[in-house]
Amino acid sequence: EAGVTQFPSHSVIEKGQTVTLRCDPISGHDNLYWYRRVMGKEIKFLLHFVKESKQDESGMPNNRFLAERTGGTYSTLKVQPAELEDSGVYFCASSQGMAGNTIYFGEGSWLTVV
Amino acid sequence: GEDVEQSLFLSVREGDSSVINCTYTDSSSTYLYWYKQEPGAGLQLLTYIFSNMDMKQDQRLTVLLNKKDKHLSLRIADTQTGDSAIYFCAENPGFQKLVFGTGTRLLVSP
Repeated sequence: EAGVTQFPSHSVIEKGQTVTLRCDPISGHDNLYWYRRVMGKEIKFLLHFVKESKQDESGMPNNRFLAERTGGTYSTLKVQPAELEDSGVYFCASSQGMAGNTIYFGEGSWLTVV
Repeated sequence: GEDVEQSLFLSVREGDSSVINCTYTDSSSTYLYWYKQEPGAGLQLLTYIFSNMDMKQDQRLTVLLNKKDKHLSLRIADTQTGDSAIYFCAENPGFQKLVFGTGTRLLVSP
């Protein structure tokens, strides 16, 4: 069974440009999460989807970030326009069912904004 | 508030035991987790423990939970060079999101 897959694995963009990150959760997982780790800091929660609905988006840093999960399958996270401080690793994760179930992470999308 | 703290760095020799410590703040966390991140790789779930347990053992890994002190530890027996990685402690305060520590970088020397 495929795990959580993310694309692209690495991206280098200029300040002001747009980047779209994609996440495919484990098949059948209703819960999809986005997290990020900026350089040297802890991994921070961004938001949580249940199927196609945003359950919790309290961690989204500002309105330059837009997450979607149309159809309740894969999700995209768009950063527009990107700023230098957006550089870091963006992790996607998924889980099945209710709170407490094991949350599986992808390998991350490493974003560098120059 | 939610806060998870870990020491930043641990260095051991191959064959020794490693103990990585973590303190958390939210007593309502149902589960506590240890994740491992190898260089250039994603987050791998190592193990987790229910909050009503004191200890969990899984091969070379032993997790100890002191709920009164909100202290979690991960012991790796017979540490190998392949165990070199960043280890993240995380709590699940029941809101379907994980709160991570800053990670402990474990360096295993031959």
